Amino acid sequence: AQKVTQTQTSISVVEKTTVTMDCVYETRDSSYFLFWYKQTASGEIVFLIRQDSYKKENATVGHYSLNFQKPKSSIGLIITATQIEDSAVYFCAMREDMNYNQGKLIFGQGTKLSIKP
Amino acid sequence: DAGVTQTPRHEVAEKGQTIILKCEPVSGHNDLFWYRQTKIQGLELLSYFRSKSLMEDGGAFKDRFKAEMLNSSFSTLKIQPTEPKDSAVYLCASSLTGLGDSAETLYFGSGTRLTVL
Repeated sequence: AQKVTQTQTSISVVEKTTVTMDCVYETRDSSYFLFWYKQTASGEIVFLIRQDSYKKENATVGHYSLNFQKPKSSIGLIITATQIEDSAVYFCAMREDMNYNQGKLIFGQGTKLSIKP
Repeated sequence: DAGVTQTPRHEVAEKGQTIILKCEPVSGHNDLFWYRQTKIQGLELLSYFRSKSLMEDGGAFKDRFKAEMLNSSFSTLKIQPTEPKDSAVYLCASSLTGLGDSAETLYFGSGTRLTVL
């Protein structure tokens, strides 16, 4: 069965530094999609970045990048030059290829990131 | 383009009442999801529609929860009868299937915060 695990409950870093959040997943599918979402203090869930399993190159969007290690079933989120407004809860999620499965999105438990001035 | 719209933003119900939450997906999206979020359980999938067909009915949530997709641009989630343990944030999300960089990515509404007294 699908499973997504985020072991870091909370992380605190100083502004302008780099932070990495871990995520491991379980799937029997050869084709799947991995996502990172951010939930702000207001409760809004915002899509940040994704990695398609067939792509070897790590995805990058703005100051977000991914460390995709397929043999380890790992998809880490890296935020460089962190800002106060990056403080939020970050969710890792996986969606199996809907051509072969039902394509539902399963979330990890979330990591709370606090950026200190 | 309008994002996912959920109404109402807040709902307060007495135990035993019937409540209906509403969702309008992003125009053109053909997948629609209902999730429930609590601090203890995190994000749990309630229902999932693909092109208006029910793909996932949420297992443990079948009993008092019923999601419907009346047309491609409108969905409801009915909880009947409500119980205090149903107090949570209910989130609707939509996505587009197929190829393309934005396909398969879920976009979330702002959620409905339900309080059952």
